[in-house]
Amino acid sequence: LAKTTQPISMDSYEGQEVNITCSHNNIATNDYITWYQQFPSQGPRFIIQGYKTKVTNEVASLFIPADRKSSTLSLPRVSLSDTAVYYCLVGGYGQNFVFGPGTRLSVLP
Amino acid sequence: DAGVTQSPTHLIKTRGQHVTLRCSPISGHKSVSWYQQVLGQGPQFIFQYYEKEERGRGNFPDRFSARQFPNYSSELNVNALLLGDSALYLCASSLKYQGIEETQYFGPGTRLLVL
Repeated sequence: LAKTTQPISMDSYEGQEVNITCSHNNIATNDYITWYQQFPSQGPRFIIQGYKTKVTNEVASLFIPADRKSSTLSLPRVSLSDTAVYYCLVGGYGQNFVFGPGTRLSVLP
Repeated sequence: DAGVTQSPTHLIKTRGQHVTLRCSPISGHKSVSWYQQVLGQGPQFIFQYYEKEERGRGNFPDRFSARQFPNYSSELNVNALLLGDSALYLCASSLKYQGIEETQYFGPGTRLLVL
């Protein structure tokens, strides 16, 4: 069962790049890594998903090293509206999905 | 396209009562998962269903049960409610339950308050 850890909080300024790392030392072979954004009283919103190496979409990049024991979400040029809690989720094949504790990102003007 | 929908949005129950929460997946998605999110914490996995069969279960007591219907919608039932069951209950749907098609998309949640 994967156990995940994340920094509790991070501060950034508008226009900067933000990198949030999640550690998942005992990730299983079949597990995927997914990142979500959550605003208060809303469901998590999908950002990006990967299995290994690098994945990029229109809003973020995900870096996963070869040992897959960690992953880094990269948000380019954050804005005030990116202030939220960011979660990594590890799991797959119907096995126990494990969310990280979440990283509260505050974007300052 | 409609996303994952959940009902009700909020409800209040008293200790010992029973509650049923409902979820409709994204059209075409055949897998539904349920999570409990206590205030200030990350969501915790409760169940995953695919093609009406339970495919995964988290570390929750037997008071929690679920089922999936032929139209792939799902219900989460909680018996003998405790104060600690107060939480946001999230439903997520995915195309399948294997590999990249298992990407989960979440609904807005049902806020349950147990008094």
